[in-house]
Parts: sequence; C-alpha cells; structure tokens
Amino acid sequence: DGGITQSPKYLFRKEGQNVTLSCEQNLNHDAMYWYRQDPGQGLRLIYYSQIVNDFQKGDIAEGYSVSREKKESFPLTVTSAQKNPTAFYLCASSSNQGRSSNQPQHFGDGTRLSIL
Amino acid sequence: QQQVKQSPQSLIVQKGGISIINCAYENTAFDYFPWYQQFPGKGPALLIAIRPDVSEKKEGRFTISFNKSAKQFSLHIMDSQPGDSATYFCAASISGSARQLTFGSGTQLTVLP
Repeated sequence: DGGITQSPKYLFRKEGQNVTLSCEQNLNHDAMYWYRQDPGQGLRLIYYSQIVNDFQKGDIAEGYSVSREKKESFPLTVTSAQKNPTAFYLCASSSNQGRSSNQPQHFGDGTRLSIL
Repeated sequence: QQQVKQSPQSLIVQKGGISIINCAYENTAFDYFPWYQQFPGKGPALLIAIRPDVSEKKEGRFTISFNKSAKQFSLHIMDSQPGDSATYFCAASISGSARQLTFGSGTQLTVLP
C-alpha cells in the first residue's frame, strides 16, 4: 500500500541529546513537510522540501534540522538546542503536479517525542 | 501574518445532531480551504475541501459553507455519529505556494451516543 511511514512511534530523548525522526514515503511525491503538533495549537510547520537536495525553514525551524538526499526520505533531527521538544511530530507529502492548483497533503501517523 | 482562526476549541453534540465548526482567515490571497479529520494517535486525513468560487460544497454528511466577503468558512456535520468523534482542523493555502497549508488550532468533537 502507498503511504507515509514514520518511525519510531514513540521516542524518548535525554537532555542534551540529538534525536532523528524518520519519514519515508512511497507515493512518488516531490514535496515533503514536517509539522509539530501541540495541544490547542494545531499544526505548525517546521521545515518543507519541494525537491531533492533543497528545503526551506517553516515557522518554527529553530532547534531542528532536516536533509533531503532522496525523494522518498525526509528525516528530521531534533537537536539539543530545541528547549521544549516534547510534542507530536507529523510528516506529510504532496504532489507538485499542477503548481497552479493545490494538491492534498497526505500525513503519516506521527512520532510522539518525550523528554526523560 | 497568515492566520486561520478556528472555533470552538471543543464541541459536544448528541448523536443525530448537527456539528458546526467555524474558521476565519485574514489573507485574501488564500484560495484553497481544506478540512482535515484526525483520530487519536493518527495523522490528519483530508475530509473535504473548497475553493472560493463556490459558496457551498457537500460530500455525504459533510458540508463546507464559504463566505468570501466575510472571509469565513465552516464545516457542518449532519446527523453526527459517535464515529465522527475526532479533532477537526481547517486550513488555507495559496495556489502555487511552496509552503502550502496554514492550519487552524483544531476543534475536538465529541458525539455522545
């Protein structure tokens, strides 16, 4: 089945530690996104990538980093500089076909990150 | 700043009732307005979407009403069922914009049996 796979489902981070969240898609989508979800705040955009080897900061990029070496993969690293990393992280992808129209975003089932 | 304001934060409806969630936006360049449904522990899934050239779109029990002059749009769930209990997000985007969606803060809907 085509879709987006996020792993792990639950992740724990120690103080001062970097952790990497995985996002893989087999939908052949060009665009990929990372969102952070906190209770009562909806989804906030961390980083997005429209094409391999290119990505842009979203609204809350500080303390995060990404890479886009393959079309299928868009890993997110939560660095020790992110002082409040406890949240639900969602990865999404969409087709870039027809730039004049909007293509729906497909989401993975998220990774819940907690601080030990 | 691009913002989408959503209300109410939570909503409790009896089975068979109508659930109504409202959103308002500021940026008149927005031209695509989707609604997403999210169940606990899952990612959001696209429910229904509308463009500003129509005032209403209906898919089954779900209807989007759009008021361009007021810069508001709403989701109506007719004959609400316990299985509709979820968090609903409105969103908005600009065609051709690389960053895509700006989300509302979400509404937690509970449909009582």
